[in-house]
Order: sequence, then C-alpha cells, then structure tokens
Amino acid sequence: NAGVTQTPKFQVLKTGQSMTLQCAQDMNHEYMSWYRQDPGMGLRLIHYSVGAGITDQGEVPNGYNVSRSTTEDFPLRLLSAAPSQTSVYFCASSYSDSGPYEQYFGPGTRLTVT
Amino acid sequence: AQSVSQHNHHVILSEAASLELGCNYSYGGTVNLFWYVQYPGQHLQLLLKYFSGDPLVKGIKGFEAEFIKSKFSFNLRKPSVQWSDTAEYFCAVNSDTGRRALTFGSGTRLQVQP
Repeated sequence: NAGVTQTPKFQVLKTGQSMTLQCAQDMNHEYMSWYRQDPGMGLRLIHYSVGAGITDQGEVPNGYNVSRSTTEDFPLRLLSAAPSQTSVYFCASSYSDSGPYEQYFGPGTRLTVT
Repeated sequence: AQSVSQHNHHVILSEAASLELGCNYSYGGTVNLFWYVQYPGQHLQLLLKYFSGDPLVKGIKGFEAEFIKSKFSFNLRKPSVQWSDTAEYFCAVNSDTGRRALTFGSGTRLQVQP
C-alpha cells in the first residue's frame, strides 16, 4: 500500500491565484481530513470528511473548499490564495470503525503565497 | 472546546539524558490521547496512543507515556535519548466520537546533542 499520498510536494502561488492540493489513500479509509501546520501552532484542522459525499468544516475553514466524490480522494481547493495561507498542509485518514481513531498522515505540501 | 498544551517548546539534551515532555489537555470526558513525532523533513508518525486500560503505555523506539486522569496529563518519557530522537513531538487528543479529528498541541522541538 502507498498509504496517504499528497501532490504537489511544493508550490508557490501569487496572491489571488487558485489551486487544488491533491490527497489520496489506498487503505479504504472512510475518514479523511486536512490540517495546516504553522510554526508554534501545531496542526489545525481545516476540513474533514466521514465518507464519500460528506464533508464538514474544521477549526480554520475560511478560504478553503473540499469535496469527497470517492472514498480514495479528498482534494483541498484554495479559492483565492492569500499570504496567510502560506503553510504546510497535511492530509490524514483513518478507519471508519476504529475505536482508537488513529490517523495516518501524508508527506505534506509546502505552500508559499507571495 | 478541547485544547492541548505543551509547555516545553524547545528542549536541548545530551545523548543518554532522560526525557520528559509535558502534555496537558482540557476536557472532562473520555479522551483518546496520542503522541506523534515528526523527524526533520518527514511527515507525522504515531509514537504511541492511549484509549483505555493501563495508563502507562509503551510506544515505538523506547518511548512511553503515562495518562494521569486527575491531572489531565499525558507526559511522554524516554529513559535515554539518542541523537536520532531529534525531532518535533506533538501531543494530540480526540474526545468527540462523532468527529475523529485530532486537536494538537503546539509541539516540542527536541534537539539531542551528541
């Protein structure tokens, strides 16, 4: 299994541009989520999904959209990039019926908005 | 809302020294607790987790953590650190069974000097 994969690894955007960060998992996990990691702030939840067709907002959803058309994929869209969205973005997934709710993380996408 | 506090932001130790990283959470109900590690340039990996049972849990690479419910704490320990333990350590908690997202602490950067 490849686990959780993310593309691209690095991206530079200009303010106002839009883009999609890709996330895929091959573990048949129902639950997927997006976090952003900023220095001194740990990871903060942006959006999550408990299954195909179901998404919900996390802690810091403004400026981001998600959709979940398949179990495997959970893309994150930046509608109009802002310098405040410069961050490292992590996608994670976990089993649907897992009591422990252990999450598996992807390698991250480092985004810079100028 | 739940929150997680990691009081040590940057810890510098010599090899063979003992390690204890503090983690406190704020939530009065049932919690699931995790420690994740992020080695330089890599994604987050699970070190250990607590859900129920023995409050002293052992993880990978010789790490352990103790859940003390009365103190709302889940401190990470290792008797003798190695240079390869240099990394950032994150404590995380999940207490909402309907939402599997984790709430993370701000992280502790551990630097082990040879």
